[in-house]
Amino acid sequence: KNEVEQSPQNLTAQEGEFITINCSYSVGISALHWLQQHPGGGIVSLFMLSSGKKKHGRLIATINIQEKHSSLHITASHPRDSAVYICAVRRGSEKLVFGKGTKLTVNP
Amino acid sequence: DSGVTQTPKHLITATGQRVTLRCSPRSGDLSVYWYQQSLDQGLQFLIQYYNGEERAKGNILERFSAQQFPDLHSELNLSSLELGDSALYFCASSVMAGDYGYTFGSGTRLTVV
Repeated sequence: KNEVEQSPQNLTAQEGEFITINCSYSVGISALHWLQQHPGGGIVSLFMLSSGKKKHGRLIATINIQEKHSSLHITASHPRDSAVYICAVRRGSEKLVFGKGTKLTVNP
Repeated sequence: DSGVTQTPKHLITATGQRVTLRCSPRSGDLSVYWYQQSLDQGLQFLIQYYNGEERAKGNILERFSAQQFPDLHSELNLSSLELGDSALYFCASSVMAGDYGYTFGSGTRLTVV
């Protein structure tokens, strides 16, 4: 079993829909990151969380440390949100452990 | 432009060869991280340098080595290349060691033929 599990693996939505991507991890962590990887390959860091909730524009990330679970929400989704979203956890060392990613496709 | 510069963007080389990937961190960032992304393994942490010193090591093969120079740029050397080394190699930087968030470069796509 991977230390970091994401669901779903693939997600197709219509423009305007509310989207949720989930991340569960099996060990204690010091922080959790959400990353976005564009079709061209580049990676952008979206959020770093150690507790609670963060919001940036239409993106919201939450984490529940007790349940070892995080969610990434996208409100009013748009085709430009189409990308792979990757959850990664840091376990006290410098090492990040990554989930396999969720491929999101938003159709117009 | 994220501020992290990786060169080259694409590299095609033969098995058994050696290549060097270069990363210039964002201005002011002292820490550099290298990651490998392959189709079957996903993203994996390779190694981290902070202000010229190795800070942490991940799943880095003995055929691979890295260093960070006084001007803070970093190089990842891959030798005795195998077909399975074909992957995207990302560099990321952060202000300090520890969890301060990361800025990623656009990656180097290595194809070993």
